[in-house]
Amino acid sequence: DSGVTQTPKHLITATGQRVTLRCSPRSGDLSVYWYQQSLDQGLQFLIQYYNGEERAKGNILERFSAQQFPDLHSELNLSSLELGDSALYFCASSVTGGAEPQHFGDGTRLSIL
Amino acid sequence: GQQVMQIPQYQHVQEGEDFTTYCNSSTTLSNIQWYKQRPGGHPVFLIQLVKSGEVKKQKRLTFQFGEAKKNSSLHITATQTTDVGTYFCAGLDDKIIFGKGTRLHILP
Repeated sequence: DSGVTQTPKHLITATGQRVTLRCSPRSGDLSVYWYQQSLDQGLQFLIQYYNGEERAKGNILERFSAQQFPDLHSELNLSSLELGDSALYFCASSVTGGAEPQHFGDGTRLSIL
Repeated sequence: GQQVMQIPQYQHVQEGEDFTTYCNSSTTLSNIQWYKQRPGGHPVFLIQLVKSGEVKKQKRLTFQFGEAKKNSSLHITATQTTDVGTYFCAGLDDKIIFGKGTRLHILP
């Protein structure tokens, strides 16, 4: 158990819809990362937050947005969903968001029908 | 932009054989991390390398960071069925970039 909690575990929705994925970081970790993993693909870094502020941005689409709240949990919002957005979305956390190990949650599997 | 390439994409080995995966960056990295993802699981941190030419060992696993800090390798000696999974390198420059991973299959 990594200590990182992601909900829901599975999400099935239709094209054009909007969903919110939730992540609670490991106790004591201030930084949260979001990743997208498609079938047979690596981990695409989407965005990173540290203590409520955006720290780094990766290949995140404009239809996607995220935020980190004062209690340090984070949400990833995906809107105008397309079939190609079907993927496993991982959240990871680390203490300071610098050069240190990241601890991953179990992921949310998003299926777009 | 910054890229991290990892080869091979897939590797099948007989149990007991050695395995190596290579990671190459288009830019100099401040450090490199390695993760393992078991089938159906999430990535789990294995190790971090920081110094040029650094070599670290964990039992049967040997990790190297190149002198120019642009490449790295993971070598597993005498593979076991428990080594099955996908091994990712992740390079850190101004942000973290993961390679696409090497999926290791072990043939009994």
